[in-house]
Amino acid sequence: GAVVSQHPSRVICKSGTSVKIECRSLDFQATTMFWYRQFPKKSLMLMATSNEGSKATYEQGVEKDKFLINHASLTLSTLTVTSAHPEDSSFYICSATAGGAGEKLFFGSGTQLSVL
Amino acid sequence: SQQGEEDPQALSIQEGENATMNCSYKTSINNLQWYRQNSGRGLVHLILIRSNEREKHSGRLRVTLDTSKKSSSLLITASRAADTASYFCASEETSGSRLTFGEGTQLTVNP
Repeated sequence: GAVVSQHPSRVICKSGTSVKIECRSLDFQATTMFWYRQFPKKSLMLMATSNEGSKATYEQGVEKDKFLINHASLTLSTLTVTSAHPEDSSFYICSATAGGAGEKLFFGSGTQLSVL
Repeated sequence: SQQGEEDPQALSIQEGENATMNCSYKTSINNLQWYRQNSGRGLVHLILIRSNEREKHSGRLRVTLDTSKKSSSLLITASRAADTASYFCASEETSGSRLTFGEGTQLTVNP
């Protein structure tokens, strides 16, 4: 099956620093990638949808200047958490799809971000 | 956005028993999907049922969909300890390709 690689799997950083998370589709071209945030024992909350070559569409309440998303190629999307604070600590997951509606998503393995 | 609801939130059974999880959603959908998540990991797609389907099988999985009640169920038969995980339903709205995830059911299968 299709593989989505997410890196790093875990990151610990100091408050005020920026953290970049990468999401790569390894064996297919991902026309659309999604970024989610998940709190312990909770569901996934969609943060933004990114299409290759265009600006990401952010969900209501998600600060686009705080969570920078770049989808520069059909196989790579990045999420940068800028000036991270302890409240940004969370599990971040990306997913990708090769098609549009009706296509299943392939998920990365997630990134656990801890901001001290 | 509104999240779907799942019940139960947690389910603990013995190996060999069947596990049933239910999901409700709020909008008109193209399809409903079920995913599995092991602790601290990404999600793995299990099965997709389209809005014009009522039941679908895949191995030990059986999914039903009732669009009049806006609900779906996932049945895992002859459960195994390796089935221990969180299970999420996700509904794809007719308005686009985004998925709305349910709150999840934590399944524990005791050996």
